[in-house]
Amino acid sequence: DAKTTQPTSMDCAEGRAANLPCNHSTISGNEYVYWYRQIHSQGPQYIIHGLKNNETNEMASLIITEDRKSSTLILPHATLRDTAVYYCIVRVRSAGGTSYGKLTFGQGTILTVHP
Amino acid sequence: DTAVSQTPKYLVTQMGNDKSIKCEQNLGHDTMYWYKQDSKKFLKIMFSYNNKELIINETVPNRFSPKSPDKAHLNLHINSLELGDSAVYFCASSQGTGRPREQYFGPGTRLTVT
Repeated sequence: DAKTTQPTSMDCAEGRAANLPCNHSTISGNEYVYWYRQIHSQGPQYIIHGLKNNETNEMASLIITEDRKSSTLILPHATLRDTAVYYCIVRVRSAGGTSYGKLTFGQGTILTVHP
Repeated sequence: DTAVSQTPKYLVTQMGNDKSIKCEQNLGHDTMYWYKQDSKKFLKIMFSYNNKELIINETVPNRFSPKSPDKAHLNLHINSLELGDSAVYFCASSQGTGRPREQYFGPGTRLTVT
């Protein structure tokens, strides 16, 4: 799976949009971009994923650049409960094989939302 | 209506003991995983089972033995516990057919070996 690079930490004011960048310059055509987050002392939580089109769900939006070498996770109106470690993960698309289902977590970005 | 549950939540034991952690999911998924998160907060996959068949086995000591009695359960048994086994262990599940699906994680089991 391609390696990702994320800033170590970011701050955001409550109510403002939080934009979390991720660089995945070595991504290949069969790899998805996934975002998970881990709130303190809890299990990781799936947020969103995409291949090449922008995606939006009830939690967030995912913007993937046209060359797919980077992406941005957008939390449109951050709340204090969004304070967490956010992980950007690139994963192979096809099923099967010994790497199937494997998520490789990096260090992630510590997002702190303050009042 | 817990999706992925683990027991126990906390486990404190002495070196050399044998212990088990249980995981159950009620999502109807066919793939389950064990992850380990160490003191530095790195989260690494240990095992994955698809339809009760082991498909991912990372470089984990033989003292760790996963067992999947059915698709809804994946237990982790650890023999001869060592200090370095202290960590938080997370179970996860996903529906494994077709393209990669999102994984749902349990609340974690904090294992402390003294």
